[in-house]
Amino acid sequence: NAGVTQTPKFQVLKTGQSMTLQCAQDMNHNSMYWYRQDPGMGLRLIYYSASEGTTDKGEVPNGYNVSRLNKREFSLRLESAAPSQTSVYFCASTLQRQGQTPQHFGDGTRLSIL
Amino acid sequence: GESVGLHLPTLSVQEGDNSIINCAYSNSASDYFIWYKQESGKGPQFIIDIRSNMDKRQGQRVTVLLNKTVKHLSLQIAATQPGDSAVYFCAVVSQAAGNKLTFGGGTRVLVKP
Repeated sequence: NAGVTQTPKFQVLKTGQSMTLQCAQDMNHNSMYWYRQDPGMGLRLIYYSASEGTTDKGEVPNGYNVSRLNKREFSLRLESAAPSQTSVYFCASTLQRQGQTPQHFGDGTRLSIL
Repeated sequence: GESVGLHLPTLSVQEGDNSIINCAYSNSASDYFIWYKQESGKGPQFIIDIRSNMDKRQGQRVTVLLNKTVKHLSLQIAATQPGDSAVYFCAVVSQAAGNKLTFGGGTRVLVKP
Protein backbone atom coordinates (compact mmCIF):
# COMPACT_ATOMS: atom_id res chain seq x y z
CA ASN A 1 0.00 0.00 0.00
CA ALA A 2 1.29 3.45 -0.92
CA GLY A 3 -0.71 5.28 1.79
CA VAL A 4 -0.94 8.99 0.90
CA THR A 5 0.75 10.00 -2.35
CA GLN A 6 1.46 13.61 -3.26
CA THR A 7 2.57 14.99 -6.60
CA PRO A 8 4.72 16.77 -7.52
CA LYS A 9 7.43 16.52 -4.84
CA PHE A 10 9.03 19.83 -5.82
CA GLN A 11 7.84 22.84 -7.83
CA VAL A 12 9.08 26.33 -8.56
CA LEU A 13 6.59 28.92 -9.76
CA LYS A 14 6.69 32.54 -10.71
CA THR A 15 4.41 35.01 -8.97
CA GLY A 16 0.98 34.96 -10.58
CA GLN A 17 1.23 31.46 -12.02
CA SER A 18 -1.34 28.84 -11.14
CA MET A 19 -0.71 25.33 -9.89
CA THR A 20 -2.63 22.29 -8.68
CA LEU A 21 -1.16 19.98 -6.06
CA GLN A 22 -2.44 16.44 -6.24
CA CYS A 23 -3.11 14.02 -3.40
CA ALA A 24 -4.42 10.47 -3.45
CA GLN A 25 -4.88 7.90 -0.70
CA ASP A 26 -5.48 4.17 -1.03
CA MET A 27 -6.61 3.46 2.55
CA ASN A 28 -10.34 3.98 1.92
CA HIS A 29 -10.29 6.96 4.25
CA ASN A 30 -13.26 9.30 4.19
CA SER A 31 -11.63 12.51 5.47
CA MET A 32 -8.78 14.35 3.77
CA TYR A 33 -6.79 17.47 4.67
CA TRP A 34 -4.34 19.99 3.27
CA TYR A 35 -1.73 21.62 5.52
CA ARG A 36 1.16 23.97 5.00
CA GLN A 37 4.35 23.85 7.03
CA ASP A 38 6.59 26.89 7.35
CA PRO A 39 10.03 27.00 9.04
CA GLY A 40 9.82 27.00 12.82
CA MET A 41 6.09 26.46 12.80
CA GLY A 42 3.77 23.55 13.14
CA LEU A 43 1.41 22.47 10.43
CA ARG A 44 -1.51 24.76 9.71
CA LEU A 45 -4.74 23.53 8.18
CA ILE A 46 -5.66 25.10 4.84
CA TYR A 47 -8.77 23.14 3.83
CA TYR A 48 -10.31 19.81 4.65
CA SER A 49 -12.92 17.44 3.31
CA ALA A 50 -14.77 15.48 5.97
CA SER A 51 -16.33 13.21 3.36
CA GLU A 52 -16.67 12.90 -0.38
CA GLY A 53 -18.61 15.87 -1.73
CA THR A 54 -17.85 18.26 1.13
CA THR A 55 -15.06 20.77 1.70
CA ASP A 56 -14.48 23.32 4.44
CA LYS A 57 -12.02 26.07 5.24
CA GLY A 58 -9.33 25.58 7.78
CA GLU A 59 -7.11 28.09 9.55
CA VAL A 60 -5.38 29.62 6.50
CA PRO A 61 -7.59 29.20 3.39
CA ASN A 62 -6.96 32.52 1.63
CA GLY A 63 -5.38 32.14 -1.79
CA TYR A 64 -6.30 28.46 -2.13
CA ASN A 65 -9.11 26.34 -3.50
CA VAL A 66 -9.71 22.63 -3.18
CA SER A 67 -11.55 19.88 -5.00
CA ARG A 68 -12.55 16.51 -3.58
CA LEU A 69 -12.55 14.69 -6.88
CA ASN A 70 -13.67 11.35 -5.44
CA LYS A 71 -13.10 9.40 -2.25
CA ARG A 72 -9.42 8.85 -3.06
CA GLU A 73 -8.34 12.22 -4.40
CA PHE A 74 -8.20 15.73 -2.92
CA SER A 75 -6.45 18.50 -4.85
CA LEU A 76 -5.24 21.94 -3.77
CA ARG A 77 -5.12 24.80 -6.27
CA LEU A 78 -3.23 28.06 -6.17
CA GLU A 79 -4.92 30.34 -8.72
CA SER A 80 -2.37 33.16 -8.57
CA ALA A 81 0.72 32.16 -6.65
CA ALA A 82 2.32 34.66 -4.26
CA PRO A 83 5.75 34.50 -2.55
CA SER A 84 3.97 34.15 0.81
CA GLN A 85 2.72 30.78 -0.38
CA THR A 86 6.25 29.40 -0.51
CA SER A 87 6.00 26.46 1.86
CA VAL A 88 5.89 22.70 2.19
CA TYR A 89 2.39 21.36 1.61
CA PHE A 90 1.18 18.15 3.21
CA CYS A 91 -1.89 16.14 2.46
CA ALA A 92 -3.35 13.83 5.10
CA SER A 93 -6.24 11.44 5.43
CA THR A 94 -8.08 9.61 8.17
CA LEU A 95 -10.94 7.22 8.63
CA GLN A 96 -13.27 9.42 10.61
CA ARG A 97 -15.39 7.28 12.88
CA GLN A 98 -17.27 8.12 16.05
CA GLY A 99 -14.02 8.19 17.94
CA GLN A 100 -11.01 10.03 16.63
CA THR A 101 -8.34 8.33 14.61
CA PRO A 102 -4.89 9.61 13.64
CA GLN A 103 -4.29 11.32 10.35
CA HIS A 104 -1.79 9.77 7.94
CA PHE A 105 0.41 12.11 5.95
CA GLY A 106 2.07 12.15 2.57
CA ASP A 107 5.69 13.20 2.13
CA GLY A 108 4.85 16.71 0.99
CA THR A 109 5.21 19.04 -1.96
CA ARG A 110 7.96 21.64 -1.64
CA LEU A 111 6.75 24.76 -3.40
CA SER A 112 8.84 27.86 -4.07
CA ILE A 113 7.34 30.99 -5.55
CA LEU A 114 9.69 33.56 -6.98
CA GLY B 1 -8.78 29.41 20.17
CA GLU B 2 -6.59 26.40 20.68
CA SER B 3 -2.88 26.82 21.08
CA VAL B 4 -0.35 24.12 21.54
CA GLY B 5 3.21 24.75 22.62
CA LEU B 6 6.38 22.87 23.30
CA HIS B 7 8.74 23.65 26.14
CA LEU B 8 12.08 22.79 24.45
CA PRO B 9 12.73 23.48 20.79
CA THR B 10 15.87 21.25 20.69
CA LEU B 11 16.73 18.25 22.82
CA SER B 12 20.19 16.63 22.69
CA VAL B 13 20.33 13.16 24.17
CA GLN B 14 23.02 10.51 24.46
CA GLU B 15 22.38 7.29 22.61
CA GLY B 16 20.88 4.78 25.02
CA ASP B 17 19.44 7.40 27.35
CA ASN B 18 15.75 8.15 27.71
CA SER B 19 14.20 11.20 26.04
CA ILE B 20 11.28 13.23 27.31
CA ILE B 21 9.46 15.70 25.08
CA ASN B 22 6.85 17.98 26.58
CA CYS B 23 3.79 19.69 25.17
CA ALA B 24 1.27 22.10 26.70
CA TYR B 25 -2.18 22.75 25.31
CA SER B 26 -4.73 25.40 26.16
CA ASN B 27 -8.17 24.01 25.34
CA SER B 28 -9.56 21.97 28.21
CA ALA B 29 -12.13 20.49 25.79
CA SER B 30 -9.34 18.71 23.88
CA ASP B 31 -10.10 15.02 23.98
CA TYR B 32 -7.63 13.27 21.70
CA PHE B 33 -3.86 13.67 21.56
CA ILE B 34 -1.32 12.43 19.04
CA TRP B 35 2.45 12.40 18.77
CA TYR B 36 4.08 12.53 15.35
CA LYS B 37 7.69 12.09 14.28
CA GLN B 38 8.98 13.95 11.24
CA GLU B 39 12.27 13.08 9.59
CA SER B 40 13.98 15.40 7.16
CA GLY B 41 12.20 15.49 3.81
CA LYS B 42 9.33 13.33 5.03
CA GLY B 43 5.80 13.84 6.22
CA PRO B 44 4.76 13.46 9.87
CA GLN B 45 4.63 9.83 10.93
CA PHE B 46 2.15 8.67 13.57
CA ILE B 47 3.85 7.40 16.75
CA ILE B 48 1.23 7.03 19.44
CA ASP B 49 -2.07 8.51 20.53
CA ILE B 50 -4.06 8.81 23.73
CA ARG B 51 -7.63 9.70 24.50
CA SER B 52 -8.72 11.96 27.32
CA ASN B 53 -10.13 9.08 29.36
CA MET B 54 -6.58 7.75 29.84
CA ASP B 55 -3.50 9.20 31.53
CA LYS B 56 -0.87 6.82 30.19
CA ARG B 57 -0.37 4.69 27.14
CA GLN B 58 2.63 2.61 26.11
CA GLY B 59 3.90 1.53 22.74
CA GLN B 60 7.14 0.04 21.56
CA ARG B 61 9.82 2.07 23.40
CA VAL B 62 7.45 5.02 23.68
CA THR B 63 5.11 6.14 26.43
CA VAL B 64 2.68 9.04 26.35
CA LEU B 65 1.55 10.67 29.57
CA LEU B 66 -1.45 12.97 29.77
CA ASN B 67 -2.13 15.34 32.67
CA LYS B 68 -5.47 16.97 32.00
CA THR B 69 -5.34 18.97 35.21
CA VAL B 70 -2.44 21.07 33.99
CA LYS B 71 -3.13 20.47 30.27
CA HIS B 72 0.22 18.83 29.68
CA LEU B 73 1.30 15.97 27.44
CA SER B 74 4.67 14.23 27.27
CA LEU B 75 6.35 11.64 25.08
CA GLN B 76 8.99 9.41 26.59
CA ILE B 77 11.35 7.48 24.34
CA ALA B 78 13.25 4.68 26.05
CA ALA B 79 16.83 3.81 25.08
CA THR B 80 17.03 6.52 22.42
CA GLN B 81 18.65 5.38 19.17
CA PRO B 82 20.21 7.34 16.28
CA GLY B 83 17.11 6.58 14.23
CA ASP B 84 15.07 8.56 16.75
CA SER B 85 16.71 11.80 15.61
CA ALA B 86 13.85 13.83 14.14
CA VAL B 87 11.38 16.59 14.92
CA TYR B 88 8.52 15.52 17.18
CA PHE B 89 5.12 17.21 17.12
CA CYS B 90 2.22 16.92 19.47
CA ALA B 91 -1.25 17.48 18.06
CA VAL B 92 -4.51 17.89 19.89
CA VAL B 93 -8.06 17.31 18.74
CA SER B 94 -11.31 18.57 20.10
CA GLN B 95 -14.41 16.71 19.00
CA ALA B 96 -16.40 19.85 19.80
CA ALA B 97 -14.23 21.75 17.31
CA GLY B 98 -14.89 19.33 14.49
CA ASN B 99 -12.05 16.88 15.10
CA LYS B 100 -9.47 19.10 13.46
CA LEU B 101 -5.85 18.72 14.51
CA THR B 102 -3.96 21.61 16.09
CA PHE B 103 -0.19 21.11 16.00
CA GLY B 104 2.52 22.32 18.30
CA GLY B 105 5.62 23.94 16.84
CA GLY B 106 7.84 20.86 17.16
CA THR B 107 10.89 19.73 19.16
CA ARG B 108 14.04 18.59 17.43
CA VAL B 109 15.68 15.56 19.05
CA LEU B 110 19.39 15.05 18.31
CA VAL B 111 20.86 11.73 19.37
CA LYS B 112 24.59 11.82 20.12
CA PRO B 113 26.55 8.61 19.57
